[in-house]
Amino acid sequence: GENVEQHPSTLSVQEGDSAVIKCTYSDSASNYFPWYKQELGKGPQLIIDIRSNVGEKKDQRIAVTLNKTAKHFSLHITETQPEDSAVYFCAASIGSFKTIFGAGTRLFVKA
Amino acid sequence: DGGITQSPKYLFRKEGQNVTLSCEQNLNHDAMYWYRQDPGQGLRLIYYSQIVNDFQKGDIAEGYSVSREKKESFPLTVTSAQKNPTAFYLCASKQGYLGSPLHFGNGTRLTVT
Repeated sequence: GENVEQHPSTLSVQEGDSAVIKCTYSDSASNYFPWYKQELGKGPQLIIDIRSNVGEKKDQRIAVTLNKTAKHFSLHITETQPEDSAVYFCAASIGSFKTIFGAGTRLFVKA
Repeated sequence: DGGITQSPKYLFRKEGQNVTLSCEQNLNHDAMYWYRQDPGQGLRLIYYSQIVNDFQKGDIAEGYSVSREKKESFPLTVTSAQKNPTAFYLCASKQGYLGSPLHFGNGTRLTVT
């Protein structure tokens, strides 16, 4: 069945360093790849997304890359700050209504 | 302000009681979803609805029920048949086109003792 694997499950970086989270999806029909940030006690919020016809997208300190051939996509956060500490989820959408989530990465940014 | 409202934020029930979690959206989104999140885990789909008066089971629908009588409302009932109901429940909505993201509420934490 459809599956999204996400690594690592926990990531600890020093403030100012970069953080990279990687995901792999199984269904080649996946066409939309959003990333969500979840802070403690809140719902996930969209931070960036990429469509299957694009290889890379950047928004200030956040970038996402997509390799459709390898079915890999990654989130890159540069110049990390303590407020980046949260749980990050990757996801892959198939069609208009179905979204499969990765298991999440807990990011700690040490000041 | 457009968004999704889940209420209450915290809910406590005794084992054997049914409980209904509220979810309301004013984003005019067609589709609505319920997810369950357990500590340190990802999001598991319980039920979803693409249009009013229609809904489908997700991956873990057993012990849950929903209704979609209005576009803006998608309440979830956790029944006594749900074996491990204590969890964080998230409601979400999205527009019904390819490549539209999910918008989440801030969740309801249900504790059953």
